[in-house]
Amino acid sequence: DTGVSQDPRHKITKRGQNVTFRCDPISEHNRLYWYRQTLGQGPEFLTYFQNEAQLEKSRLLSDRFSAERPKGSFSTLEIQRTEQGDSAMYLCASRTPGQPYSRAFFGQGTRLTVV
Amino acid sequence: DAKTTQPNSMESNEEEPVHLPCNHSTISGTDYIHWYRQLPSQGPEYVIHGLTSNVNNRMASLAIAEDRKSSTLILHRATLRDAAVYYCILLQDSNYQLIWGAGTKLIIKP
Repeated sequence: DTGVSQDPRHKITKRGQNVTFRCDPISEHNRLYWYRQTLGQGPEFLTYFQNEAQLEKSRLLSDRFSAERPKGSFSTLEIQRTEQGDSAMYLCASRTPGQPYSRAFFGQGTRLTVV
Repeated sequence: DAKTTQPNSMESNEEEPVHLPCNHSTISGTDYIHWYRQLPSQGPEYVIHGLTSNVNNRMASLAIAEDRKSSTLILHRATLRDAAVYYCILLQDSNYQLIWGAGTKLIIKP
């Protein structure tokens, strides 16, 4: 257990439905990242928060994707009008403040299956 | 973005040392080299990181070439629990992002 929690662990949804995932980082970590990982590939960066500010978004994050981190604590990732191509593992990671080169702590991920 | 190149897979015998190579010829002077590993259906787990000097921790050692264009993760005595996909990653100084490659699948034979 790394201290980063993701909920749910698994989600099956029908195409066209909206889904929302939650990430609870380690409490003192101000940096939070979302990644997407498809089978056999390494994680792909989606977006990055420092406290409540969303500082960077990948071009992978289409307008159907939105992420928030209210109050700089937990974060949510929402996918609207899901497509089969959204099926993947969605990973959240957090890092400690003041040490920009420090290790990242990853959650166990949310496995999304769009049917 | 700087990239890393790793072999797709490697095999090793249990209780023997394992040397996992990584090429990062386009690394910039301030990019850190990180290694993570991932078991099936789990999130990545930190292994080790370094900048220029070789590093040791309880899990592994990291040997970094003098020109920093390559590095090697060393597992001193592999166990079956070390079977995983190992990722060599550059942490960019410009935005502190981890740039992931495809990783090396390490197979440990009993």
